[in-house]
Amino acid sequence: DGGITQSPKYLFRKEGQNVTLSCEQNLNHDAMYWYRQDPGQGLRLIYYSQIVNDFQKGDIAEGYSVSREKKESFPLTVTSAQKNPTAFYLCASSILPTGRNTEAFFGQGTRLTVV
Amino acid sequence: SQQGEEDPQALSIQEGENATMNCSYKTSINNLQWYRQNSGRGLVHLILIRSNEREKHSGRLRVTLDTSKKSSSLLITASRAADTASYFCATDEIPGGSYIPTFGRGTSLIVHP
Repeated sequence: DGGITQSPKYLFRKEGQNVTLSCEQNLNHDAMYWYRQDPGQGLRLIYYSQIVNDFQKGDIAEGYSVSREKKESFPLTVTSAQKNPTAFYLCASSILPTGRNTEAFFGQGTRLTVV
Repeated sequence: SQQGEEDPQALSIQEGENATMNCSYKTSINNLQWYRQNSGRGLVHLILIRSNEREKHSGRLRVTLDTSKKSSSLLITASRAADTASYFCATDEIPGGSYIPTFGRGTSLIVHP
């Protein structure tokens, strides 16, 4: 079945470590997005990518990095520079970079906890 | 990036009642979308309304859009316990910009059986 898959579902990180969250889609979507969600809060945009080998910072990019080497994959690295990384991370994709009247498809999320 | 803001932040109703939640946004849009999020899960798209539409229905969902007031409402009729979730509106950016879904804080709906 087509869809967007995030892994792992739960991730624990020690202070000072970098961790990478995986996001893969087989929907042939051009655009992919990473959001962060804190308890009781909305979604805040971290990074987005509209084509392979190109990505743009969102509202809260500090302490995060991404790559888009393949159309299907958009991994997010949470670096040690991110001071408060404990959150729920959501990946999404949509058809066309300038996709008017199209919906975003979401993965099931990765819950990251710093221990 | 602009952001839709939902109101109320929380809504508690009994099964069978209707639930209404609102969304306000700041600038002109191409379309507005509503999403649902069950606890600890990803978002699921519910309905999209274009800027030239005023009302749209999908099953028990009814969405209205008032571009003059920059607001939208989502009505869930005859609510069920399974409707318990958070609901978000998302807008795009205009004019001519790339579509980047931006979300508000959501309305947390609890439907008591």
